[in-house]
Amino acid sequence: QSALTQPASVSGSPGQSITISCTGTSSDVGAYHYVSWYQQHPGKAPKLMIYGVNNRPSGVSNRFSGSKSGNTASLTISGLQAEDEADYYCSSYTSSASYVFGTGTKVTVL
Amino acid sequence: QLQLQESGSGLVKPSETLSLTCTISGGSISSLDYYWGWIRQPPGKGLEWIGSFYYRGSTYYSPSLKSRLTISVDTSKNQLSLRLRSVTAADTAVYYCARQRNVGWGRMDWFDPWGQGTLVTVSS
Repeated sequence: QSALTQPASVSGSPGQSITISCTGTSSDVGAYHYVSWYQQHPGKAPKLMIYGVNNRPSGVSNRFSGSKSGNTASLTISGLQAEDEADYYCSSYTSSASYVFGTGTKVTVL
Repeated sequence: QLQLQESGSGLVKPSETLSLTCTISGGSISSLDYYWGWIRQPPGKGLEWIGSFYYRGSTYYSPSLKSRLTISVDTSKNQLSLRLRSVTAADTAVYYCARQRNVGWGRMDWFDPWGQGTLVTVSS
């Protein structure tokens, strides 16, 4: 099972919006609604930010939103803040009864 | 509040077996609503799903690790265990345990919460 493909890095200025893509296949992202996004700060455990493609867990800012089109899912961060600087990973259930993470994207706030 | 804590040997010799335990507090490992999973992250690299265990007996393993891997639970201690045999330097990573949502039909979804992770180094 190959990792989902994400851009290595994305950057933006405070207040701007950025979008991170996550490209899979018709056997994972394209097949199911089970796409999640995680935020990871250096030295910390990942934190769930989006589940079910576009749902936010309680306590996650509404500046984070998710979507999906075909085999590609996306995470949008609006009103970018310094605290959003972190690594972000997408994930998906797969048709082979396994689970796969994305390659990860480093978000830099300029 | 559900909490997970990984523990085990931080240093393992090549060709030996890596053993880790995840102790769950504030919730039951016997819950029908959740799987319990292991994820690892090599230094400076991305996340890799290792496998997930469901109380009713379903266990799913990463195809790339399946031949060396055993995940089990001790319900009396509310613990999840990982055993990875014949390790090499490529198995050096921070290992996390996490609760994973069961969405039915043998399918799994998001991980939340996660343990803090434990670094395992494979070296002689």
